[in-house]
Amino acid sequence: ETGVTQTPRHLVMGMTNKKSLKCEQHLGHNAMYWYKQSAKKPLELMFVYNFKEQTENNSVPSRFSPECPNSSHLFLHLHTLQPEDSALYLCASSQGADTGELFFGEGSRLTVL
Amino acid sequence: GQNIDQPTEMTATEGAIVQINCTYQTSGFNGLFWYQQHAGEAPTFLSYNVLDGLEEKGRFSSFLSRSKGYSYLLLKELQMKDSASYLCAVRDQNYQLIWGAGTKLIIKP
Repeated sequence: ETGVTQTPRHLVMGMTNKKSLKCEQHLGHNAMYWYKQSAKKPLELMFVYNFKEQTENNSVPSRFSPECPNSSHLFLHLHTLQPEDSALYLCASSQGADTGELFFGEGSRLTVL
Repeated sequence: GQNIDQPTEMTATEGAIVQINCTYQTSGFNGLFWYQQHAGEAPTFLSYNVLDGLEEKGRFSSFLSRSKGYSYLLLKELQMKDSASYLCAVRDQNYQLIWGAGTKLIIKP
């Protein structure tokens, strides 16, 4: 138990569907992150929120839309995805946005058909 | 560009010692991190080095040489539960984490 909870753990969707991934942290941290993890590739940072403000968007396609309503919750809204978007999506939190010690959730395994 | 290199896969025997290397080329340096990730689980923080030398934490140690752009994670008295992927990450001049692709460690009885 890392203090970061992600739902759903597994998601299968068609290219025309709209779905959302949810992340919640119980650690009192100020920064939250979305990462994409593909097999045998480095973690890809997608978005960073610090004190609910988005501070990083690493050229992520607009079919991925993040939302951070408060410092404990983070969403990733998915729309019109492509099969190459199939991956493990990891949420993480940290005390501050420049802290290297991240606390990760177990991830949401996404399959796009 | 920024780059972190680590072996894709390593195999070791239970009870033995294994060293996982990580070399990096980044824009600036503000610390190096090692994470452990068991299959199907969240990555978890193992160690942090910002100065040259060895940091020991139980059976795990991490070494850093900033002049060589090199680190290693040393695992002693290997146990079956150490089978996992080990991720090396460097914090660059902008305090962004740059990640390696991870080393899958297989422990055999």
